[in-house]
Amino acid sequence: DTAVSQTPKYLVTQMGNDKSIKCEQNLGHDTMYWYKQDSKKFLKIMFSYNNKELIINETVPNRFSPKSPDKAHLNLHINSLELGDSAVYFCASSQGGRNSPLHFGNGTRLTVT
Amino acid sequence: DQQVKQNSPSLSVQEGRISILNCDYTNSMFDYFLWYKKYPAEGPTFLISISSIKDKNEDGRFTVFLNKSAKHLSLHIVPSQPGDSAVYFCAASALGGSEKLVFGKGTKLTVNP
Repeated sequence: DTAVSQTPKYLVTQMGNDKSIKCEQNLGHDTMYWYKQDSKKFLKIMFSYNNKELIINETVPNRFSPKSPDKAHLNLHINSLELGDSAVYFCASSQGGRNSPLHFGNGTRLTVT
Repeated sequence: DQQVKQNSPSLSVQEGRISILNCDYTNSMFDYFLWYKKYPAEGPTFLISISSIKDKNEDGRFTVFLNKSAKHLSLHIVPSQPGDSAVYFCAASALGGSEKLVFGKGTKLTVNP
């Protein structure tokens, strides 16, 4: 019983396509996140939702749009994919609050060709 | 600009010895620090944290030390075990910085039997 699960695990697609990554958590957490790990290995926050409301929106291109249908799900839709979008995307959840540890999914490796 | 720096990309130690992983930060507003461990093809998992009101926090074989004046923290693992082989990420958050965690690039620890 995976706590934070994201699908797909691997995603290979061509430039210009639109793709989605899904994330679900069964921990009962109120807050969910999307992080991106780029080729330089930095983990950087992209978005954070608390109870379906957007609370953090870092400097991310408008082509990236998170959607939270309920507090257990946070999906990431990416339009017009570019080569530079290739990265590993991690979904995470927490109980909320600055000092609550994040629980991460196993990541989605996106490769744009 | 890297606000959280892990200057050693890799570290190799013998089983049973001490592993010391280092982390430096530049933002004086950071007041809460966490260490995450990551195995290949998995998401990071929370290991241990420390608040800036403390200079040491211990959990079993893992101890984190914080030197605020030097803006430096370290993670000690004693004794090191082969199962500790993973990438270790240092992360920090700032008072008033919402729930945004800033991660370092990670240090790959290899514990040799």
